[in-house]
Amino acid sequence: GAGVSQTPSNKVTEKGKYVELRCDPISGHTALYWYRQSLGQGPEFLIYFQGTGAADDSGLPNDRFFAVRPEGSVSTLKIQRTERGDSAVYLCASSALGRSPLHFGNGTRLTVT
Amino acid sequence: AQSVTQPDIHITVSEGASLELRCNYSYGATPYLFWYVQSPGQGLQLLLKYFSGDTLVQGIKGFEAEFKRSQSSFNLRKPSVHWSDAAEYFCAVGPNFGNEKLTFGTGTRLTIIP
Repeated sequence: GAGVSQTPSNKVTEKGKYVELRCDPISGHTALYWYRQSLGQGPEFLIYFQGTGAADDSGLPNDRFFAVRPEGSVSTLKIQRTERGDSAVYLCASSALGRSPLHFGNGTRLTVT
Repeated sequence: AQSVTQPDIHITVSEGASLELRCNYSYGATPYLFWYVQSPGQGLQLLLKYFSGDTLVQGIKGFEAEFKRSQSSFNLRKPSVHWSDAAEYFCAVGPNFGNEKLTFGTGTRLTIIP
């Protein structure tokens, strides 16, 4: 079946611009996570949704970052006034109820020039 | 705060040789431990996880890991590696309740030589 889909796969933007990254989770998965992976590092937790609400956004680095999941399915990560330090691979993952494992997408590589 | 240390940045092994990747964690309660593999351009794939019970856990692709509470370790092993095992391997720790807010290590890159 279809896995977690992330679009675009690559995004190049200029410093100061606004970007949106999209995540389509596996159908029926209620939990959705965003992680960020910088070069040479492991993924770092950003935000977690259970249904439509953000259950934990403690990993968002500052108020330039925001994420939504209005209908409990697709999620969009929004970054305002991008900075070169935002360059990274942004990973989305989803899971079903309980302790089922995370299913990761292939990520969106964001480059801020 | 929870943390994961993977002391080996890069490991090279010959095809057919045995493999052990090290992982040490710091966590204030009973941990929920994972190993993930990431091939170039691919998403993370779960190899195995430990939640409770038998401390030796079996995963996919012939991998296993052993939880040692006394050493705060969760090392990954494989008796005989294949060229297709070349990838980046990440150890992660998470809470043993509710959600998968994981803390990952920095990863170990595995190279296989013929």
